[in-house]
Amino acid sequence: GNSVTQMEGPVTLSEEAFLTINCTYTATGYPSLFWYVQYPGEGLQLLLKATKADDKGSNKGFEATYRKETTSFHLEKGSVQVSDSAVYFCALSSGGSYIPTFGRGTSLIVHP
Amino acid sequence: EAEVAQSPRYKITEKSQAVAFWCDPISGHATLYWYRQILGQGPELLVQFQDESVVDDSQLPKDRFSAERLKGVDSTLKIQPAELGDSAMYLCASSTNNRGNTEAFFGQGTRLTVV
Repeated sequence: GNSVTQMEGPVTLSEEAFLTINCTYTATGYPSLFWYVQYPGEGLQLLLKATKADDKGSNKGFEATYRKETTSFHLEKGSVQVSDSAVYFCALSSGGSYIPTFGRGTSLIVHP
Repeated sequence: EAEVAQSPRYKITEKSQAVAFWCDPISGHATLYWYRQILGQGPELLVQFQDESVVDDSQLPKDRFSAERLKGVDSTLKIQPAELGDSAMYLCASSTNNRGNTEAFFGQGTRLTVV
């Protein structure tokens, strides 16, 4: 079946530091990959996506590249801000029913 | 900007009582999902609708949970009777179709506390 594994958090960084949150997946077929962000008390918002191998999704300074050979979709940002503090979820959609499957989430805390 | 609407935002109920949540997806979205998110974990699918039909409810505890989307638009998720372990955030999401390359848009969720 489909599954997503994310690095455990929390990830604690100082403002302007470089961010990497690792995500690897197991899926049938050729999945689409997503990163969602969840701010406290809120629902999930799509941050970026990639639908085929070697695609790079990007939004708001965040990037992730779909690596089929390593089954990975790591999230990166060159310079984080306090406002980026949130929980980040890696997700995939694949297979006959295309049900989005989520990882456990990684909490990011950015200090001024 | 179109949004997925959910109500109520918060619900406190006693165990063994019935509780219901409502979701209105983005207009025109044929696919609707209900997810349960336990604190500190990722969302887990409970049920998926395509229009008014259930596509997948394999993870829905059918002895106490039910979901319907009678006219293929808004949806209701019910729990009867509620148990302490049902305390969680219940998220509704919708998408234009059930093909894998389209994103799901999420509502703000209903936070359920069972006491």
